[in-house]
Amino acid sequence: GDSVTQMEGPVTLSEEAFLTINCTYTATGYPSLFWYVQYPGEGLQLLLKATKADDKGSNKGFEATYRKETTSFHLEKGSVQVSDSAVYFCALSPFSGGSNYKLTFGKGTLLTVNP
Amino acid sequence: GAVVSQHPSWVICKSGTSVKIECRSLDFQATTMFWYRQFPKQSLMLMATSNEGSKATYEQGVEKDKFLINHASLTLSTLTVTSAHPEDSSFYICSAPDNEQFFGPGTRLTVL
Repeated sequence: GDSVTQMEGPVTLSEEAFLTINCTYTATGYPSLFWYVQYPGEGLQLLLKATKADDKGSNKGFEATYRKETTSFHLEKGSVQVSDSAVYFCALSPFSGGSNYKLTFGKGTLLTVNP
Repeated sequence: GAVVSQHPSWVICKSGTSVKIECRSLDFQATTMFWYRQFPKQSLMLMATSNEGSKATYEQGVEKDKFLINHASLTLSTLTVTSAHPEDSSFYICSAPDNEQFFGPGTRLTVL
């Protein structure tokens, strides 16, 4: 079955540091890939997505590129802020083109950014 | 974006009782909703797909008689944990799709 493996945390960075959270996946066919963020006390929110190979999703300074050859979707941000402190989940849905289907999640990575 | 609510946000109950959790799509209709369970420091695990007007589809290993799902309308799905036991204590999250998945804030269930 489908699976998502992401870098275990927690990750602690200083403000303005570079962030990478690794995510690799196993899936048949052509899945869509997502990064969700969960701020303390809140529900999951979509951060960015990519629906086909070589697509780059980006939002709020975060980026991730869908790499089919390495089955990866690593999350990056050039300069993190304290407000980025949250849990980040990598996820996939089994079909290209959207997320109206059930999602398979990675275990989540807790990011703490210190001032 | 669209909003999904859950009620209650937290509940404590005694072992053997049943607990109902509601998931509502507030400004859109959803023929499908998803129920997830999240353990501490673990991923969200899909429990079942709730289908309006028909039976829910349960993932392998999830007891359908234990976790009753009813999708009564296009904006409401309920998850009832029947005869709850301490091992059912967890964080339950629902989501509903509207071009993208929108997640509820979750319900913390503690069974004493």
